[in-house]
Amino acid sequence: GAVVSQHPSWVICKSGTSVKIECRSLDFQATTMFWYRQFPKQSLMLMATSNEGSKATYEQGVEKDKFLINHASLTLSTLTVTSAHPEDSSFYICSASLPSGLETQYFGPGTRLLVL
Amino acid sequence: AQSVTQLGSHVSVSEGALVLLRCNYSSSVPPYLFWYVQYPNQGLQLLLKYTSAATLVKGINGFEAEFKKSETSFHLTKPSAHMSDAAEYFCAVSGGVDFGNEKLTFGTGTRLTIIP
Repeated sequence: GAVVSQHPSWVICKSGTSVKIECRSLDFQATTMFWYRQFPKQSLMLMATSNEGSKATYEQGVEKDKFLINHASLTLSTLTVTSAHPEDSSFYICSASLPSGLETQYFGPGTRLLVL
Repeated sequence: AQSVTQLGSHVSVSEGALVLLRCNYSSSVPPYLFWYVQYPNQGLQLLLKYTSAATLVKGINGFEAEFKKSETSFHLTKPSAHMSDAAEYFCAVSGGVDFGNEKLTFGTGTRLTIIP
């Protein structure tokens, strides 16, 4: 149980385009999802916390207009990187927490984004 | 405020030897502590967690960790290393839902190498 998927697993795009990444909880309803960014050989940095039906809460320094997060249902959250630039290239990982156990986050497999 | 310090960015042990990965935390509230493992190009998998119950926590793959409040530590151990244990390990802390802070703060990670 508590499986989280991400799609796509990797994406290459041209600078200036937008990229959407999906995060799905496959076998549970996730009222809260989290989006992280991980640079090579570094730790995970929380970008935003997403609650179903409400606006995401962004961490300090994260541009909300650049990284659009939508949590339209209890099983799906999306992260859209708008007008992507090479410096946005990174590994993006989402996680979801069970409604009855918010202290534990279950992570997706990650999406590797390369902006040319 | 919470923080995590993982001592040793790289640890190498021989196959069959004891694995010890160190984690010290700082938290203004009783912490919830986690160890996650990340294999190359994958998301994070929960190894074990401490959420104020037993101080010695057993996880998957033979790993365990002991919460020591006096030392503010949550070191990860495994009696006998296996080649498949080679991965990146992250310690993380949260304030827990009871304190309205389920956000995870990660350490910088420890890369574990197993020597045949």
